Amino acid sequence: GIQVEQSPPDLILQEGANSTLRCNFSDSVNNLQWFHQNPWGQLINLFYIPSGTKQNGRLSATTVATERYSLLYISSSQTTDSGVYFCAGYADSNYQLIWGAGTKLIIKP
Amino acid sequence: NAGVTQTPKFQVLKTGQSMTLQCAQDMNHNSMYWYRQDPGMGLRLIYYSASEGTTDKGEVPNGYNVSRLNKREFSLRLESAAPSQTSVYFCASSEARGGQPQHFGDGTRLSIL
Repeated sequence: GIQVEQSPPDLILQEGANSTLRCNFSDSVNNLQWFHQNPWGQLINLFYIPSGTKQNGRLSATTVATERYSLLYISSSQTTDSGVYFCAGYADSNYQLIWGAGTKLIIKP
Repeated sequence: NAGVTQTPKFQVLKTGQSMTLQCAQDMNHNSMYWYRQDPGMGLRLIYYSASEGTTDKGEVPNGYNVSRLNKREFSLRLESAAPSQTSVYFCASSEARGGQPQHFGDGTRLSIL
């Protein structure tokens, strides 16, 4: 079926640690995006990454479309990185975004 | 450059009242979307507009209507609000439908008593 699965569901880290979040997506989903929903509820675009690797400061993302997964790397975590990280991909059948359940990240000072 | 602007940010309604949520984007995008997010869950698509003059149902359209007023503006109307519609509503836009990044507004937090 059409699926986007994220792991881990929860992650608690100390400030300064590095983390890797994973998103697996089914054959009929493409053109992945990563979002950060901060504790105030705002949804922030992090990356639009159908394939390849992109970097933005301490964050980077890699999508291997042939193997149906994407990874979000956060280095030197800060408390402001806390929140929920969502990945979402477009369903080929109807061009609607299919959302993962999110990874809740807590960075402790 | 404001991106996607939603109004109001917060609203409390009584059951049966009506209201319209407003959304405007200044990125000259063709496609616009309305989502709802319930506590602890991802987003679900209510309605979308692939281009000016068109609207289509998403995953959860019941109880809602939309209007694509022009290329910039896309409104969501609750005709007779119900407690089950208590949620956070997000508007988004993209250059085209499918295969383009979506950009989101800050959300409208709606409570229906």
